[in-house]
Amino acid sequence: DTGVSQDPRHKITKRGQNVTFRCDPISEHNRLYWYRQTLGQGPEFLTYFQNEAQLEKSRLLSDRFSAERPKGSFSTLEIQRTEQGDSAMYLCASSISGTSSEQYFGPGTRLTVT
Amino acid sequence: GDSVTQMEGPVTLSEEAFLTINCTYTATGYPSLFWYVQYPGEGLQLLLKATKADDKGSNKGFEATYRKETTSFHLEKGSVQVSDSAVYFCAHNNNAGNMLTFGGGTRLMVKP
Repeated sequence: DTGVSQDPRHKITKRGQNVTFRCDPISEHNRLYWYRQTLGQGPEFLTYFQNEAQLEKSRLLSDRFSAERPKGSFSTLEIQRTEQGDSAMYLCASSISGTSSEQYFGPGTRLTVT
Repeated sequence: GDSVTQMEGPVTLSEEAFLTINCTYTATGYPSLFWYVQYPGEGLQLLLKATKADDKGSNKGFEATYRKETTSFHLEKGSVQVSDSAVYFCAHNNNAGNMLTFGGGTRLMVKP
């Protein structure tokens, strides 16, 4: 059973560095989502793709954040010039299309900015 | 705007006790409602869902009923086990089904 996978699981970086995370969705899922979760809080939506098209972005996604899904399969989330406030768990999820379809989450990438 | 409010935790219960975790939501239209669970050291897992008013979602002994009149989706279980100790998140999607709004989570601790 291949669920949603994310890499790396943990990343420690110094402030000002760039980081990139990868997400591999469930193979037949055409939708892919990114969320951010800080300690003690629920996940917050960042952005979503349908196939390779990025269709929605949250105001939480500042100019330093960019996400891609070039071939409609895996996705990358890049954070440029990281700040301490970027420290969080970054979650990826995938689903099929549909207004009631459930999203399946990966294990997350925990980012610590020192 | 859209929001989800859950009862604050932690909720501490003895094994075999009855569990209720309250959840209310604010949303436009007719969202689908979800409960996700996060066990220690693991990712979010879908526990159950309901897609329309009066639907009851159920799984692993947990139940929740979509109450449109009170905009609620309370999670219940008749007899909790130590293995149910986890953080539970209530969520709803938007009309297009492409974004989830989560509550803050409720930590459940079950003692033997």
